[in-house]
Amino acid sequence: EAGVVQSPRYKIIEKKQPVAFWCNPISGHNTLYWYRQNLGQGPELLIRYENEEAVDDSQLPKDRFSAERLKGVDSTLKIQPAELGDSAVYLCASSLRSSSGNTIYFGEGSWLTVV
Amino acid sequence: ELKVEQNPLFLSMQEGKNYTIYCNYSTTSDRLYWYRQDPGKSLESLFVLLSNGAVKQEGRLMASLDTKARLSTLHITAAVHDLSATYFCAVDAEGGGADGLTFGKGTHLIIQP
Repeated sequence: EAGVVQSPRYKIIEKKQPVAFWCNPISGHNTLYWYRQNLGQGPELLIRYENEEAVDDSQLPKDRFSAERLKGVDSTLKIQPAELGDSAVYLCASSLRSSSGNTIYFGEGSWLTVV
Repeated sequence: ELKVEQNPLFLSMQEGKNYTIYCNYSTTSDRLYWYRQDPGKSLESLFVLLSNGAVKQEGRLMASLDTKARLSTLHITAAVHDLSATYFCAVDAEGGGADGLTFGKGTHLIIQP
């Protein structure tokens, strides 16, 4: 079974340029997350989707970040314009919502360097 | 705001030794997760602990949860080099379902021959 798939794996852009990341969650997983992981830190939640609805985007910097999950499957995360401080790994994750607890599965991440 | 603290943050140990990583969290929760991350890789799920007193073991790793003390431990028995990685604990805030995890800063573990 395929895991969480993300692309691109690596991206280097100049500041003020836009960038977009794509995520395909595990088939059947209705919950999708975007996390950001800075070097040497734990991941931090940016946004969580239940199907196509963004149910928690409180940590998403909305002035420059946007996300969508059309049709409740794939998702994209966009940054426009990028700043130097946005350099990080952007992790997509998915889970099957369950009252008995759930494992959240992470993709390999999209590594962003802003220069 | 939920806070998750791990200690130690860095640990260098010899093969064959035992050690414990601690994870404290600041709010009520009965769902705690342990993940492993190798350099340049994503996070691999190790354990999901869902109730007070839960204990799970896989190979040389054993995790436990004390929800009253808001403490989880990850115990390493007779460490081997292959266990070198960064270990994260993460807490799912109370409220049910997959609300999103709050992670600790991670424990960078180096196991030397």
